[in-house]
Amino acid sequence: EAQVTQNPRYLITVTGKKLTVTCSQNMNHEYMSWYRQDPGLGLRQIYYSMNVEVTDKGDVPEGYKVSRKEKRNFPLILESPSPNQTSLYFCASSGGPGSGQPQHFGDGTRLSIL
Amino acid sequence: AQSVTQLGSHVSVSEGALVLLRCNYSSSVPPYLFWYVQYPNQGLQLLLKYTSAATLVKGINGFEAEFKKSETSFHLTKPSAHMSDAAEYFCAVSERGYQKVTFGTGTKLQVIP
Repeated sequence: EAQVTQNPRYLITVTGKKLTVTCSQNMNHEYMSWYRQDPGLGLRQIYYSMNVEVTDKGDVPEGYKVSRKEKRNFPLILESPSPNQTSLYFCASSGGPGSGQPQHFGDGTRLSIL
Repeated sequence: AQSVTQLGSHVSVSEGALVLLRCNYSSSVPPYLFWYVQYPNQGLQLLLKYTSAATLVKGINGFEAEFKKSETSFHLTKPSAHMSDAAEYFCAVSERGYQKVTFGTGTKLQVIP
């Protein structure tokens, strides 16, 4: 079954404690992306990756890091989380939005930073 | 730069009534346009997409959308609402050759029995 898998689904943690949200896809997609969803703001792109070792900033990259060492994995790293990063996060993969390919989304990770 | 505007953060319709969710876009090149649906505690699922093959696009669950270049619109419609259509709907745009995707702020659809 084609899917995007995120872990964990829920996490409550404290300010400053580094955390990683993993994302894996089994569709051999080149394009992967991270979004955060906040009430009234829709989805905002954090980072995206066109392929292995190729990443670029989205609209709200501050406070986040990503890496793409393997095609299937695209982890999101919060080196020093702060309360304003409390949000619902989605990972997505695609054959490439610039060629009209839709994105496949994970089920989301709800992060609470205290 | 691309952008998307969804008019109405909340829309309520009666069961069996027409559903109309509005989306206007801005793009400097011919766009690709998408509608996604999000059910509670789930990720987004593709409803339909416009990639220039036809201006009237049919999607899943009886939804369709019409691309109107002159109005820069891509409104989502369904002739008869079902209770199961209650969800949040997002319009998104990407530009040909570019990999950045911009989403609208979403419209929550409530269906009243």
